[in-house]
Amino acid sequence: GQNIDQPTEMTATEGAIVQINCTYQTSGFNGLFWYQQHAGEAPTFLSYNVLDGLEEKGRFSSFLSRSKGYSYLLLKELQMKDSASYLCARGGYNKLIFGAGTRLAVHP
Amino acid sequence: EAQVTQNPRYLITVTGKKLTVTCSQNMNHEYMSWYRQDPGLGLRQIYYSMNVEVTDKGDVPEGYKVSRKEKRNFPLILESPSPNQTSLYFCASSISMADTQYFGPGTRLTVL
Repeated sequence: GQNIDQPTEMTATEGAIVQINCTYQTSGFNGLFWYQQHAGEAPTFLSYNVLDGLEEKGRFSSFLSRSKGYSYLLLKELQMKDSASYLCARGGYNKLIFGAGTRLAVHP
Repeated sequence: EAQVTQNPRYLITVTGKKLTVTCSQNMNHEYMSWYRQDPGLGLRQIYYSMNVEVTDKGDVPEGYKVSRKEKRNFPLILESPSPNQTSLYFCASSISMADTQYFGPGTRLTVL
């Protein structure tokens, strides 16, 4: 939605690394969020980037390039419980604009 | 426990019957927001509020109303629901727009 693009679906193997990309419209940019949403549940916050570079938080890392309008979420040592949708959201004027989400399936 | 609550969690209603979905947060957050989530479209913002008595339209406000008379509550009102408002609704709150948003558990609404 609204000029935020991320892949619809991805699959990965338990223990592996997966990178979920997100591109967004750069005008009015005010931070980039990643949320995790398990089926039937509310989104929960994963990360926030406002400056270029990599933010690492345990098994999850998020990268931002403001000039390219590009972010990615990196998940390491995948576990079955990481099967969920991952939502990229761009901060704009007084609101967040969400992408449609990437559904990640982790298999044994 | 810091949380956002929504009621009801599930609702089946008929076209034209006014309904209200309540949202309450206990974190003293100034910013509150309502979203709807539909398959393939992601979360779309309906309305948001920067503070008490300050509300503004999001991306899909048609058919909805909100009010913010108290800091903790932000009800969503559907005056005359229609089937295209069948969706999963989330309320969220945060210190400000630029901060982490905390989501309520969601309300699944079906309009027949």
